[in-house]
Amino acid sequence: SAVISQKPSRDICQRGTSLTIQCQVDSQVTMMFWYRQQPGQSLTLIATANQGSEATYESGFVIDKFPISRPNLTFSTLTVSNMSPEDSSIYLCSVLESGRTEAFFGQGTRLTVV
Amino acid sequence: DQQVKQNSPSLSVQEGRISILNCDYTNSMFDYFLWYKKYPAEGPTFLISISSIKDKNEDGRFTVFLNKSAKHLSLHIVPSQPGDSAVYFCAASDLRYGNKLVFGAGTILRVKS
Repeated sequence: SAVISQKPSRDICQRGTSLTIQCQVDSQVTMMFWYRQQPGQSLTLIATANQGSEATYESGFVIDKFPISRPNLTFSTLTVSNMSPEDSSIYLCSVLESGRTEAFFGQGTRLTVV
Repeated sequence: DQQVKQNSPSLSVQEGRISILNCDYTNSMFDYFLWYKKYPAEGPTFLISISSIKDKNEDGRFTVFLNKSAKHLSLHIVPSQPGDSAVYFCAASDLRYGNKLVFGAGTILRVKS
């Protein structure tokens, strides 16, 4: 399976600032996704990162708050903008390789907003 | 609207015995189901999956059973080992819309030695 590297692994940020999370895969993948896991909650899909075009956002998530880039088939970024304490979560990158139906996850970015 | 439910927040099992984790879903259009294991400070790790055209899939100590009429699936781990202690997430997708996963809330499994 693809090896997924997420940076940073954790961060503590001031409210009102923004953080960009990077997801790098060691091989070309068909699809890339961004999930959020709020404290004590399950994983929720934020958006599908589309290569060379705008991401597809799920209900409740908007581009102004969570801009996403995917310039090529191995890299994507998620920005959490204008952060508030409610954004404190684990953010996870997930990828789907061609010909496979199971998605794999990065180790996650634990974000704390103070 | 919780489409995937794991009603047991936690489960404790003795080493060597069987662990059974349960999952229910409400969306009849889901056609692919997966189980992930998650350790603290790590991302979820894929364990096993099953397509809706099957009722059982086995991989070593792990077996997933699917009952479509009841909209229920279960993960059996036998024999359970202390290293199996983790949070287990059930996930489902409707492959018509790609592999976007809907997750359950997770079940914490503790295997006692």
